[in-house]
Amino acid sequence: GIQVEQSPPDLILQEGANSTLRCNFSDSVNNLQWFHQNPWGQLINLFYIPSGTKQNGRLSATTVATERYSLLYISSSQTTDSGVYFCAALDNYGQNFVFGPGTRLSVLP
Amino acid sequence: NAGVTQTPKFQVLKTGQSMTLQCAQDMNHNSMYWYRQDPGMGLRLIYYSASEGTTDKGEVPNGYNVSRLNKREFSLRLESAAPSQTSVYFCASTAYTDTQYFGPGTRLTVL
Repeated sequence: GIQVEQSPPDLILQEGANSTLRCNFSDSVNNLQWFHQNPWGQLINLFYIPSGTKQNGRLSATTVATERYSLLYISSSQTTDSGVYFCAALDNYGQNFVFGPGTRLSVLP
Repeated sequence: NAGVTQTPKFQVLKTGQSMTLQCAQDMNHNSMYWYRQDPGMGLRLIYYSASEGTTDKGEVPNGYNVSRLNKREFSLRLESAAPSQTSVYFCASTAYTDTQYFGPGTRLTVL
């Protein structure tokens, strides 16, 4: 099955800094999503982005499907951005979503 | 519009006991999913249901059964709980294979 890797595993930033999180996947996908899990455990969908670029406020994401990676950009980070960021991929053969191990982000005031 | 709801929020079981986790969505979604999340790890798919009346195994189905009762509800059953099933369980739904919406989770401890 498809393998999903994320980097870096941990990231510590000062408030106001920018960051880039990376997601690599081992096979072609028809569905790639980014999620934020807040410190209380709630999972929030950030982007559905099988290809191309999307922006939502301070967050944007780019997926280059032909090169099998996706990037999540966070600009002007805030303490409320802290938590774990997951990417998840759905392979072309079924409905088995595979999650990466996550990037744990800590934004310090 | 409540989105995806899960009950219970917390549960403690003894080894060998059984229980059913309930999940319901009010977004008229076709597909529903059950995941488990172990400490410090990502989510792993247990079972999914692409449409009412169908269910399929995910990555870690052993020890679990599911029922897609109707379009709204998808339950997960542990017939004989084991300590290895201590985890946080999330239910999710999606219209087809696009954006997934998650419930708040059920924290299960098996002693």
